[in-house]
Order: sequence, then structure tokens, then C-alpha cells
Amino acid sequence: ILNVEQSPQSLHVQEGDSTNFTCSFPSSNFYALHWYRWETAKSPEALFVMTLNGDEKKKGRISATLNTKEGYSYLYIKGSQPEDSATYLCASSIYNQGGKLIFGQGTELSVKP
Amino acid sequence: DAEITQSPRHKITETGRQVTLACHQTWNHNNMFWYRQDLGHGLRLIHYSYGVHDTNKGEVSDGYSVSRSNTEDLPLTLESAASSQTSVYFCASSERGRPREAFFGQGTRLTVV
Repeated sequence: ILNVEQSPQSLHVQEGDSTNFTCSFPSSNFYALHWYRWETAKSPEALFVMTLNGDEKKKGRISATLNTKEGYSYLYIKGSQPEDSATYLCASSIYNQGGKLIFGQGTELSVKP
Repeated sequence: DAEITQSPRHKITETGRQVTLACHQTWNHNNMFWYRQDLGHGLRLIHYSYGVHDTNKGEVSDGYSVSRSNTEDLPLTLESAASSQTSVYFCASSERGRPREAFFGQGTRLTVV
């Protein structure tokens, strides 16, 4: 079974702080790494899908990097805002099972005004 | 607009009863998945399907079954509901082929009493 780990489990920051989370995944037979944003009482929504080693993606103040050789990805939020408060999930898939996503336990971010 | 819908949104049932949760998507996606949300575990994969008449077990499949008779629907059945199956259930779908984001339904909150 694919084991995807995220850290920290929760994070409390002040508005304006920059923050980052880590996702580690098995590097063998790697296919793709996904990041999702999950607000309370809503459905998870995709932020990024990454496949290439060294890949970096950006959406507004949020960016992500990928290291497939060592099996980790970082998600960065620059200048956190209260509306960034959510749980951030990463998920990995392996080759030949490309559609099947195994999720980490998530990092819960709380941004105080 | 294409969408993925789950029904019911909330369900209370008694231990031992059979329960079916519906998932319907209009994306015309081949891949469909059922996850349950568990504290400390994020989303755990129950069953998944890569196309019509294809079904596969996920990490936590015991006590659950699915069937895929068409592209749009993947109903999840709890054969004999148990209190340990009280959870929020999410259905998701994605395109076959290159790594693609998954789209999630709104979730079904199931309580087994």
C-alpha cells in the first residue's frame, strides 16, 4: 500500500506570515503528485497536478515543488490570508495505476487576522 | 456545466441494514472513486473503477461493494452497516490517460446508530 505522509498535521499562523507544508511519498514507480485544498463543509478542490522531477507550479500566492527522486513535495503559501484557512491534502499515484490517488492525512492551516 | 453529485447528503441508518450511497457524474470520466474521511487519516480509498464493469478494492474495502453498469454512476453499498462505518463519504471522478485532477462530490454524511 502506498504510504503518503504530510507534515505538520496542523499549523496556526498570523495573517501575512508565509508558510510551507511537506508531503512525502514513495519514489518508486512514481506517476503523479496532486495537491488539493479542502475547506470545511466543502469538497476538496485541486490546486496542482505535478509529474516531473524539479517541477514547480504556482497559482497566485500558492506554489509547489516536486522532487521525485527523494519522494517529497513542498507547498508554499506567501503572505497567508484568513481565506487560506483550510486543510491541504496531497495525494500520490503510481505508474500503471495512474488514476488511483492515495491521500496523506492532510495539513490543517488556520490563519488568524 | 458538468458535475458530480452524491445522494443523499445525510443519512441515518441502523446497525445491520443495507445502505446504498449514490454517485453520479456528467463529466463522462472513466475513473470513479469512493473515499471515506477519517480523523487523522485524511481520505481513505474504499473502491474504485476504471470503466464500465470494472471495479477494484481500495485500502478499506471490507463491508463495502460497488458496481459500474454505466459510465455515469458508481453506487456504494454497505452490506450490513456497522457503527465503524459512520463517516463522511466522498465520490470522485477523473479522466483516463495523462495525470488529471480528480473532481469530488459534495460528500454524504452517514451515521450508523
